[in-house]
Amino acid sequence: NAGVTQTPKFQVLKTGQSMTLQCAQDMNHEYMSWYRQDPGMGLRLIHYSVGAGITDQGEVPNGYNVSRSTTEDFPLRLLSAAPSQTSVYFCASSRDRSSYNSPLHFGNGTRLTVT
Amino acid sequence: GQQLNQSPQSMFIQEGEDVSMNCTSSSIFNTWLWYKQDPGEGPVLLIALYKAGELTSNGRLTAQFGITRKDSFLNISASIPSDVGIYFCAGQSLGSGGSNYKLTFGKGTLLTVNP
Repeated sequence: NAGVTQTPKFQVLKTGQSMTLQCAQDMNHEYMSWYRQDPGMGLRLIHYSVGAGITDQGEVPNGYNVSRSTTEDFPLRLLSAAPSQTSVYFCASSRDRSSYNSPLHFGNGTRLTVT
Repeated sequence: GQQLNQSPQSMFIQEGEDVSMNCTSSSIFNTWLWYKQDPGEGPVLLIALYKAGELTSNGRLTAQFGITRKDSFLNISASIPSDVGIYFCAGQSLGSGGSNYKLTFGKGTLLTVNP
């Protein structure tokens, strides 16, 4: 059982480039989310989805787009990368949005550097 | 918005010592979660707490859901080198409408264990 799979593990971008961070889960979870982790800041929610076709903004959504065309996949797009987006990005999923008996499962992260 | 104050920020201990960390908030939560993040990996759930006053153990780990619902602590007994990592607390609250769950993470406690 793979759980939550993120690709790539590492990425270096130049300012202004675009890219998509991939996230897939094989647990049939309805809820999926993206977090960024920065030193001293903990985990901050970027975007989330409560099911296929439904997405919403989190705490720090600016500069990022998401879509949820299938239950399994939840890609995160950076349209024009900026140095401030240098971070470690985590995708997480759970059965539903409530943590009651359905806590978040995290992927292993994508380490992004924007120069 | 809601904030969690997690302390201490970091700890340096000797193998065999007990460890205690906690999270406090001015807001009420209906679920408390404790995660551990190993270097280079995503956070993994250690303990979930769903009821005020609940005390739950998982091996050498013990966590409690504060009776006021505004705090939680995690204890690790007889620490070993593989306990090294970042420990995060997370609190979930139920927003307006009965479905607007919000999960808030603490900023983490970095634990170093000297053999």
